[in-house]
Amino acid sequence: KAGVTQTPRYLIKTRGQQVTLSCSPISGHRSVSWYQQTPGQGLQFLFEYFSETQRNKGNFPGRFSGRQFSNSRSEMNVSTLELGDSALYLCASSLAPHGDMNTEAFFGQGTRLTVV
Amino acid sequence: QKEVEQDPGPLSVPEGAIVSLNCTYSNSAFQYFMWYRQYSRKGPELLMYTYSSGNKEDGRFTAQVDKSSKYISLFIRDSQPSDSATYLCAPAGDSSYKLIFGSGTRLLVRP
Repeated sequence: KAGVTQTPRYLIKTRGQQVTLSCSPISGHRSVSWYQQTPGQGLQFLFEYFSETQRNKGNFPGRFSGRQFSNSRSEMNVSTLELGDSALYLCASSLAPHGDMNTEAFFGQGTRLTVV
Repeated sequence: QKEVEQDPGPLSVPEGAIVSLNCTYSNSAFQYFMWYRQYSRKGPELLMYTYSSGNKEDGRFTAQVDKSSKYISLFIRDSQPSDSATYLCAPAGDSSYKLIFGSGTRLLVRP
């Protein structure tokens, strides 16, 4: 059974650019959530999607956005990149939203974004 | 007060030791609890998933939840150098539709 797939694995962008990251969840999983991981802040919740609907959003500026498609694949977009956006961006998939039972979350390997 | 508190370590132990990793949380609405292991430059890997108070064992790993004191633990028996990683706790199920992670405890098992 294939795991969570994130593309690309590595990305270098310059300040002011925008970036789109992709996440393909485990087959059958309908919930996808995104996290930012930095050495100083740890794992910070960005947003969660379930059945194409955003269920919750973390405390990040509006430059961070996401969406989920009918096949449960998800993308997140960061516009007007800043140096501080350099981080490992992780996607997790689960059968149901995190508020429900049976919601073990499985992570992808992440996309390491470097903003220069 | 942070929602989930975890000692960042690093925790250094000799091979074969019993390791105890701990988290405290503040939200009594959390219903289930996950432990993740993260190797350097990799995504977190789900190790244990428990619901409500009590113990759950899986091989060398035992997860323990005490909801009355809002305290969760992960024990590793016969620790191996391959266990060297960062361990993250993540309580959930409060209907907020998000996972809150502890800061992670870095574990080093010395051969």
